[in-house]
Amino acid sequence: AQSVTQLGSHVSVSEGALVLLRCNYSSSVPPYLFWYVQYPNQGLQLLLKYTSAATLVKGINGFEAEFKKSETSFHLTKPSAHMSDAAEYFCAVGVAGGYNKLIFGAGTRLAVHP
Amino acid sequence: KAGVTQTPRYLIKTRGQQVTLSCSPISGHRSVSWYQQTPGQGLQFLFEYFSETQRNKGNFPGRFSGRQFSNSRSEMNVSTLELGDSALYLCASSSEGQINTEAFFGQGTRLTVV
Repeated sequence: AQSVTQLGSHVSVSEGALVLLRCNYSSSVPPYLFWYVQYPNQGLQLLLKYTSAATLVKGINGFEAEFKKSETSFHLTKPSAHMSDAAEYFCAVGVAGGYNKLIFGAGTRLAVHP
Repeated sequence: KAGVTQTPRYLIKTRGQQVTLSCSPISGHRSVSWYQQTPGQGLQFLFEYFSETQRNKGNFPGRFSGRQFSNSRSEMNVSTLELGDSALYLCASSSEGQINTEAFFGQGTRLTVV
């Protein structure tokens, strides 16, 4: 069975600081991995996805993530945080053979302070 | 291009009642998935429809059902509502039936059961 673990339900950074949100996955087959962002009272927006083409994936709004098979990780980073990055971030794995079924982590709420 | 539209945005129902939520996918998208989001359980997959066929179902009781119409619009129904059904219900649409294509989420329907 596939699963996702996000370490840290809350992360707080200063504006301009590095953002690092951690995600570890469990999958018996090569996974499809995603990062989504959710702003208050909104749906989810795709930041980036890993589909085996390249291990370093660049997404929108300056975010990127690196797929590390040996560590079963897919951590999300951004070099310099903006106030507008404050939101909840979800890591998800696509279920093999499950068509469009996604299994989500519990989410990490990112706070950015001046 | 219009996004995914969910109606209504907010709903208050009484225990024991039933409710129907609607999702209109992006034009041309044939896959619609539904998710339940709660503070305690996070984001959980309900079911996915592709070209009017349910292809995948999550671990929810039979009170949760759905359907998809020939124009790809989808509805989900919850019968005999319980307090624990209070949640944000999100639908997502994608163009293809495969997990590596992007899923676009609607803003959700916030259901409150009293």
